[in-house]
Amino acid sequence: DTEVTQTPKHLVMGMTNKKSLKCEQHMGHRAMYWYKQKAKKPPELMFVYSYEKLSINESVPSRFSPECPNSSLLNLHLHALQPEDSALYLCASSQDTSGTDQYFGPGTRLTVT
Amino acid sequence: GQQLNQSPQSMFIQEGEDVSMNCTSSSIFNTWLWYKQDPGEGPVLLIALYKAGELTSNGRLTAQFGITRKDSFLNISASIPSDVGIYFCAGQLYNTGTASKLTFGTGTRLQVTL
Repeated sequence: DTEVTQTPKHLVMGMTNKKSLKCEQHMGHRAMYWYKQKAKKPPELMFVYSYEKLSINESVPSRFSPECPNSSLLNLHLHALQPEDSALYLCASSQDTSGTDQYFGPGTRLTVT
Repeated sequence: GQQLNQSPQSMFIQEGEDVSMNCTSSSIFNTWLWYKQDPGEGPVLLIALYKAGELTSNGRLTAQFGITRKDSFLNISASIPSDVGIYFCAGQLYNTGTASKLTFGTGTRLQVTL
């Protein structure tokens, strides 16, 4: 099983709202990732968690706040977003961060109004 | 961030034709991955390559890891309508002590006509 699940599938939020995106995997992977993808572009890395610790933050604005409550779950907390933050947000996982294969979830389509 | 050069950017082909796309980089990678993405969905891993010169097949798909470690190609034989989508290559470089990251190609949009 190489399944990564994400909820919700779609999210519409205003610029003053607070919302969270959720990601879950049960493959025993110890590395989890958040990516942002704009239309017709490749995914852009935002954060990497390794063994539940934040390993990489690609200079993401603080209005995006990641959290890894345990080895199976990854959250992305959103607050005071801008319309240009509208995108497909993808979660991925891999065995670890030593170059192993990454498996992606179906994504959350976020629209900021 | 850095992106890999992937070509062609898009292609229209007829059902039954073979397809070839490639990815080139100015730097080396330890691993090459090929993904397919359908509209509104996440990328699905098709093939992973781990050694320079490696040739790997997955059904009608064949991919190779270039000898120089700076390029890779993906072939699809006898294309069918469900092959429609965007194909991304991704290179991964791992150095001990640092977390590896994927560097994605710009994508090849494939459309198949009957």
